[in-house]
Amino acid sequence: DIQLTQSPSFLSASVGDRVTITCRASQDINIYLAWYQQQPGKAPRLLIYAASALHTGVPSRFSGSGSGTEFTLTISSLQPEDFATYYCQQLNFYPPFTFGPGTTVDV
Amino acid sequence: EVFLVESGGGLVQPGGSLRLSCDVSGFTLRNYWMNWVRQAPGKGPVWVALINSDGSATNIADSVKGRFTISRDNAKNRLYLQLDSLRAEDTGVYFCVRGITVNEEKIIHYGMDVWGQGTTVIVSS
Repeated sequence: DIQLTQSPSFLSASVGDRVTITCRASQDINIYLAWYQQQPGKAPRLLIYAASALHTGVPSRFSGSGSGTEFTLTISSLQPEDFATYYCQQLNFYPPFTFGPGTTVDV
Repeated sequence: EVFLVESGGGLVQPGGSLRLSCDVSGFTLRNYWMNWVRQAPGKGPVWVALINSDGSATNIADSVKGRFTISRDNAKNRLYLQLDSLRAEDTGVYFCVRGITVNEEKIIHYGMDVWGQGTTVIVSS
């Protein structure tokens, strides 16, 4: 199975900050990586697919980059509603479609 | 508007069974590959099962293979997950999730774009 690691696990930030989260895959997964945001008590929400494509309705302050084994999610200017947990997911090799362990962005 | 609404969760004893359902509205189910994803309390999401658009092919996570079965009824706009031989570690919220899948020269999965609100399964004696 493909293993995903995320760094950092926890990130303390303030409104207006630029935030970068890294996801690393144990094997080359091409561009088949997605990013999700999850608020407490809610379902995950797709932000980015195919490593860098912004999903419909997602604010442009979110961006994704990378290919192969290293990927990043960047929030250019953190907003109050962006305090949440972020997960990456690989979709190149399955089963399973692996999720990363998550990065919590908090105050 | 697109909706996925899960039902069928509940409290069940170890070794018991449940059948989860997912009612789909706002899109044509037969055009999409679908997934079930679960999330244990305080943990991250874990993919459980995948079914192709016409139900002829499925993939199941090793942790539940032989115990869980995914199926669909496109005419009824409904997705199912049959959970048998349940264990305590199966406890969690189960989400019905639509896949972004393209079938051209090969099948490519890009992500999971629509999620239900989840149904809670608790396995406990």
